Amino acid sequence: NAGVTQTPKFQVLKTGQSMTLQCAQDMNHEYMSWYRQDPGMGLRLIHYSVGAGITDQGEVPNGYNVSRSTTEDFPLRLLSAAPSQTSVYFCASSYYPGPGANVLTFGAGSRLTVL
Amino acid sequence: KQEVTQIPAALSVPEGENLVLNCSFTDSAIYNLQWFRQDPGKGLTSLLLIQSSQREQTSGRLNASLDKSSGRSTLYIAASQPGDSATYLCAVDTNAGKSTFGDGTTLTVKP
Repeated sequence: NAGVTQTPKFQVLKTGQSMTLQCAQDMNHEYMSWYRQDPGMGLRLIHYSVGAGITDQGEVPNGYNVSRSTTEDFPLRLLSAAPSQTSVYFCASSYYPGPGANVLTFGAGSRLTVL
Repeated sequence: KQEVTQIPAALSVPEGENLVLNCSFTDSAIYNLQWFRQDPGKGLTSLLLIQSSQREQTSGRLNASLDKSSGRSTLYIAASQPGDSATYLCAVDTNAGKSTFGDGTTLTVKP
């Protein structure tokens, strides 16, 4: 199993450009989510999905769009990149093997720089 | 809104010491709490998950405890080694698919 795969690993954008960060998981997990991590800080939730066709906003959703057409894929779209979106982005998937359990599995991250 | 705090922000210890990392959260209505390790420039590796009905979990030299009523969790690392140097993050799951992270504790274990 590949687990959670994120592409690209690195990306440099100019202000105003758009792009899509890809995330795919092969574990048949129901739940997928996107986080951003800024230097010296923890992870902040951008958007999440509890299943195909269902998405919702997290703590910091502005400037980002998501969709979930399949169980496996959960792309994150930056509509018009801003320097404030310079960050490391992590995709995660999770499952509930039993009551109260949500084991998060993370991708390796995508480092985005907006000039 | 759930808030998660980790203290201390950084910790430096000599090799062989036992140590405790702390995590506190404001909303006790949680599904579970998970501890992660993050090496510089890398992703997150899950260490331990404690379900809301549990009090502790153990894996090798690691022991995590959970006290929901007081909103606290601790990660105990026994006989620390230089390879334990990393940032340790706790995450609290209060709703399906939504986890709130602390800012982490950066641990340095000196040989």
